[in-house]
Amino acid sequence: DAKTTQPPSMDCAEGRAANLPCNHSTISGNEYVYWYRQIHSQGPQYIIHGLKNNETNEMASLIITEDRKSSTLILPHATLRDTAVYYCIVIFGGTSYGKLTFGQGTILTVHP
Amino acid sequence: GAGVSQSPSNKVTEKGKDVELRCDPISGHTALYWYRQSLGQGLEFLIYFQGNSAPDKSGLPSDRFSAERTGGSVSTLTIQRTQQEDSAVYLCASSLYGANTEAFFGQGTRLTVV
Repeated sequence: DAKTTQPPSMDCAEGRAANLPCNHSTISGNEYVYWYRQIHSQGPQYIIHGLKNNETNEMASLIITEDRKSSTLILPHATLRDTAVYYCIVIFGGTSYGKLTFGQGTILTVHP
Repeated sequence: GAGVSQSPSNKVTEKGKDVELRCDPISGHTALYWYRQSLGQGLEFLIYFQGNSAPDKSGLPSDRFSAERTGGSVSTLTIQRTQQEDSAVYLCASSLYGANTEAFFGQGTRLTVV
C-alpha cells in the first residue's frame, strides 16, 4: 500500500470547517483513500473512503485531487467532540485481503 | 451483540504471569485484527486473521505473544510471562473482508502489569 504523509497536528475553531490534508503521491490506480479517527480512550472509527470521486456522508466530505496524489478530509462544522487523531490510509481495493495498519495521523484539536 | 466485544475491559496482573485477552468479532466478519496502544502512542499492529488463511503474525513483538482464532470467530490473544512493558490497551477489530472494508473496533482491554 502507498505511503501517506499527514501534518502531525492542526487546530480548528468550533463551528468552523476543519480541513485535514493527506499526501499520497505514490498511490496506484487500484488503491483507495480511507480515513479513520480515534477519539481519546476509544477504538478507531471509520469516517469515509474514496477512489477518485469526491465523497460525502453524514460525518465528513472527502476531496481527492484529479491526479489522486493528495486528498482533504473536511469536517464542515467542527465541534469539540471532533477533537481526535485522524488517520489517512491508502488501501488496495478489489479482492485484496490486505491488513489494516495505521501511521501517526494528525492530532486535530477543536477549541471554543 | 452488534459490535466487537472484548473481555476483560481491564486486567491487572503480576509480572511473570500469563494473560488471555478475548475478542468476539461481528458475526460474519472474516477479518480480525489485534493492535496494541501504549499510553500516548500510536496503534501498533500485532496480528491479522483472514478467513482460513495463515495469520499474518508479523507484528507480534516477541514469542511471548500468540493468538488464535477458533472456528473463524472468537479470538484469544495470549501473553506469556508478562513484563511491565506489556502494559497497554489491546484493541481488536473485525471487518467483512480485509482492509478494503470498514473495520469496527472494540473498546479494548487495558492491561496493567505490576
